[in-house]
Amino acid sequence: AQKITQTQPGMFVQEKEAVTLDCTYDTSDQSYGLFWYKQPSSGEMIFLIYQGSYDEQNATEGRYSLNFQKARKSANLVISASQLGDSAMYFCAMREGGWTGNQFYFGTGTSLTVIP
Amino acid sequence: SAVISQKPSRDICQRGTSLTIQCQVDSQVTMMFWYRQQPGQSLTLIATANQGSEATYESGFVIDKFPISRPNLTFSTLTVSNMSPEDSSIYLCSVGQGARGYTFGSGTRLTVV
Repeated sequence: AQKITQTQPGMFVQEKEAVTLDCTYDTSDQSYGLFWYKQPSSGEMIFLIYQGSYDEQNATEGRYSLNFQKARKSANLVISASQLGDSAMYFCAMREGGWTGNQFYFGTGTSLTVIP
Repeated sequence: SAVISQKPSRDICQRGTSLTIQCQVDSQVTMMFWYRQQPGQSLTLIATANQGSEATYESGFVIDKFPISRPNLTFSTLTVSNMSPEDSSIYLCSVGQGARGYTFGSGTRLTVV
C-alpha cells in the first residue's frame, strides 16, 4: 500500500484565493511526522510545514496551514491568499519512527498553478 | 536549520561517463541522505550516508552504480557511474533536522545524452 497518497496531479487557483492540496497517509506507527515541501521549477525542495502525530493543534506557518485529521489519516495543506510565486510542485511526506526515524516517504506530488 | 551547498547545479553528460555530486553542510550532521527524482516523479531514497561507515543502499540501488563517500560530518559525495539516459534525473542530498524534517540541497539536474 502507498504510504502517502496525493490524488491531485494538478491544481489551478486564482491569485489571492485559497487552495487545499490533499494528502492521505498510511501508517501503523503511533509516532510519526507529516511534512509538506514545495519544489519550484529550479528543483530545490523547500520545507513548508510540519505536523507531529501527537500535536493537538493544526500547524500553521504564515500563509500555510495543515488540516490534520488523524482519524481519517489526512494531512491537507491549505495555502491562503495564493500568490503567483506559489506555482510549483508540492509534496506531502511522512516520517515514521518518531523524531529519530529516518524512514521518510514522499507522495507523488501536486502541481499547483496560480492564475493571475 | 542547516544550510546545504550542493554542486553542480546541473550538468549534461555523455553516456558511459561518471559524475560526482558534492554536498557541503554548514554544521556537523550524523546522517546524510541521497535522493533521486526522475522526470515527473517523486523522490526516491538512494542511500543513507553515515560518517565512518559504508553507506546503506535502498532496494534497487547498488554501490557500484552509486558510490558514496562520507569523509567527515559536513561533507558527502554521490557518484553516478557509467551513466545512461535513464539516469537523467534530479539528485538531491538532505540532512535530518530532528523532529521538524529534512533540509535539502538545491539539487543537481543531470541530463545524460
